[in-house]
Amino acid sequence: AQSVTQLGSHVSVSEGALVLLRCNYSSSVPPYLFWYVQYPNQGLQLLLKYTSAATLVKGINGFEAEFKKSETSFHLTKPSAHMSDAAEYFCAVSEDFGNEKLTFGTGTRLTIIP
Amino acid sequence: DSGVTQTPKHLITATGQRVTLRCSPRSGDLSVYWYQQSLDQGLQFLIQYYNGEERAKGNILERFSAQQFPDLHSELNLSSLELGDSALYFCASSVESNTEAFFGQGTRLTVV
Repeated sequence: AQSVTQLGSHVSVSEGALVLLRCNYSSSVPPYLFWYVQYPNQGLQLLLKYTSAATLVKGINGFEAEFKKSETSFHLTKPSAHMSDAAEYFCAVSEDFGNEKLTFGTGTRLTIIP
Repeated sequence: DSGVTQTPKHLITATGQRVTLRCSPRSGDLSVYWYQQSLDQGLQFLIQYYNGEERAKGNILERFSAQQFPDLHSELNLSSLELGDSALYFCASSVESNTEAFFGQGTRLTVV
């Protein structure tokens, strides 16, 4: 069975500060890992995905995530937070690269402090 | 705008009733997915259709059903509604299962 744990349901950072959103996964096979963002009153949008090609994955809007097998982690980072980054972020895992097999975390709400 | 259209945006109904949620996928996308986002369960996959056929089932209740029509739009039918069915229901579409899924804005269902 696969699962993801997102540490911290709410994270606040100052504008211009580092953003770090944590995600740990559990999977019986090499996983596919994803980060999605949900802006207020919007659907989910794919930020980035890990499919075993490279451990450091760059996504849209300046976000990146690093796959660390030894730590079973896939944390999302951005060097400098913008006000427009305020949203809810979901980590997801799949044991097969199919959208129907995604297991989502509970989400982390990111607040940016001016 | 993802190109996926869901109607209605909001729906308020009473317990025991039946509702239909509608989804129009992006042009060219054959696969449609339905997800439920609730405070209790988080974001869960319900069901997938591909080119009119059911392809995968997730945590979908027997009171819920879906279909995909020849024009590829999809409907999710929820019956004998309970308070616990109150949630945001998302539709997503993709060309294939292993390509990026694009999400609609969701239908917020409130059961009173």
